[in-house]
Amino acid sequence: SYELTQPPSVSVSPGQTARITCSGDSLTKQYAYWYQQKPGQAPVLVIYKDSERPSGIPGRERFSGSSSGTTVTLSITGVQAEDEADYYCQSSDSSGTLAFGGGTKLTVL
Amino acid sequence: EEQLLESGGGSVQRGGSLRLSCAASGFTFGDYAMSWVRQSQGKGLEWVSSISGSGGSLYFADSVKGRFTISRDNSKNTVFLQMNSLRVEDSAIYYCAKVPAPIVGATTYFQHWGQGTLVTVSS
Repeated sequence: SYELTQPPSVSVSPGQTARITCSGDSLTKQYAYWYQQKPGQAPVLVIYKDSERPSGIPGRERFSGSSSGTTVTLSITGVQAEDEADYYCQSSDSSGTLAFGGGTKLTVL
Repeated sequence: EEQLLESGGGSVQRGGSLRLSCAASGFTFGDYAMSWVRQSQGKGLEWVSSISGSGGSLYFADSVKGRFTISRDNSKNTVFLQMNSLRVEDSAIYYCAKVPAPIVGATTYFQHWGQGTLVTVSS
């Protein structure tokens, strides 16, 4: 198994850029994926393969991903109140083992 | 529209068994691997198990290995999670999720999720 580490919380004011990091040794070799989960709802994929955006997500152009070494970052530009949610990173390895980060609660001030 | 509908959750005593089902629609079911992911109350996401599109390859988290098994019926567009020897710590919402590939490997992720089914294990 392997670990992915996220900050428990990030706070930003509306209109600013939120950046949520995810760290893990496996991220130098494997892609990262990001999910948004609002209270009482199932998670929704917002970024795949480090920086690709899935189609069909409202406001998806404000979400972007990047990777550098053992850290990947989810950035949300022009943060809106509707972006307040928990965000999880996820990765997998060639053996079929998958792991999630502990999650980051994004608060819009 | 792709849909995943979980069922089979409920309350069970420690040591008991439950079988979860996930009925899929809106896509060619056998072309995609499927997974189960769980989330305990107020906690984060935990991957539980995955199965390839053909059903020939199975994967389990260490926390459930030997107690849970995953299977699928491609003729009925349904994936199952058989949970035996349940523990209190298995209490969670169990989500079914579609993997956008027929196999599970280094680029596996969850493209679409169901709404989940609640499992409660009491002591």
